[in-house]
Amino acid sequence: GQNIDQPTEMTATEGAIVQINCTYQTSGFNGLFWYQQHAGEAPTFLSYNVLDGLEEKGRFSSFLSRSKGYSYLLLKELQMKDSASYLCAVLDSNYQLIWGAGTKLIIKP
Amino acid sequence: DAMVIQNPRYQVTQFGKPVTLSCSQTLNHNVMYWYQQKSSQAPKLLFHYYDKDFNNEADTPDNFQSRRPNTSFCFLDIRSPGLGDAAMYLCATSNVEGGDHNEQFFGPGTRLTVL
Repeated sequence: GQNIDQPTEMTATEGAIVQINCTYQTSGFNGLFWYQQHAGEAPTFLSYNVLDGLEEKGRFSSFLSRSKGYSYLLLKELQMKDSASYLCAVLDSNYQLIWGAGTKLIIKP
Repeated sequence: DAMVIQNPRYQVTQFGKPVTLSCSQTLNHNVMYWYQQKSSQAPKLLFHYYDKDFNNEADTPDNFQSRRPNTSFCFLDIRSPGLGDAAMYLCATSNVEGGDHNEQFFGPGTRLTVL
């Protein structure tokens, strides 16, 4: 079966750094996405990785290791507005997005 | 601004009363998706259209139907809503060209309440 695993909830302090991990087992791989979703709102795109390595975009970076079926999202200089759920999703061999359940990130002052 | 629009944002219906949710896009994307998302769960793909080709997920109940009359619009029809169908319904679009698969752009969602 296809499976995406990520922690249910994480807590971090404003101004700090947090890493949200995602492991996946899917039928094929055509890229991995990270989305941010605030409560009651739609997901918004953060990053896309299809090759191994680190993609940096401002305060957010995403890393991929295809051989390990592993990705992480790194958030630096955390702000209160970063409190949200972060969803990992993999595009499988049929080009369907397989979604993780999301990691709820709580930022404390 | 190019975007994905969903109407209404909040929909209340009665048990068993048909309801239609609408989605429109100004992005001219060739693929449109409907997802169901319940609290603290991953979005669940119900079906998608690749241009006019309809693709139904195997576990999508028959109660859910969809129409895409043109590139810009896509509708989700719930023929006989049950209490378990209360959820956020997300419409998304993406542009699939020559094997390139860009990210999916989401509308704001419609939160459906079934009384």
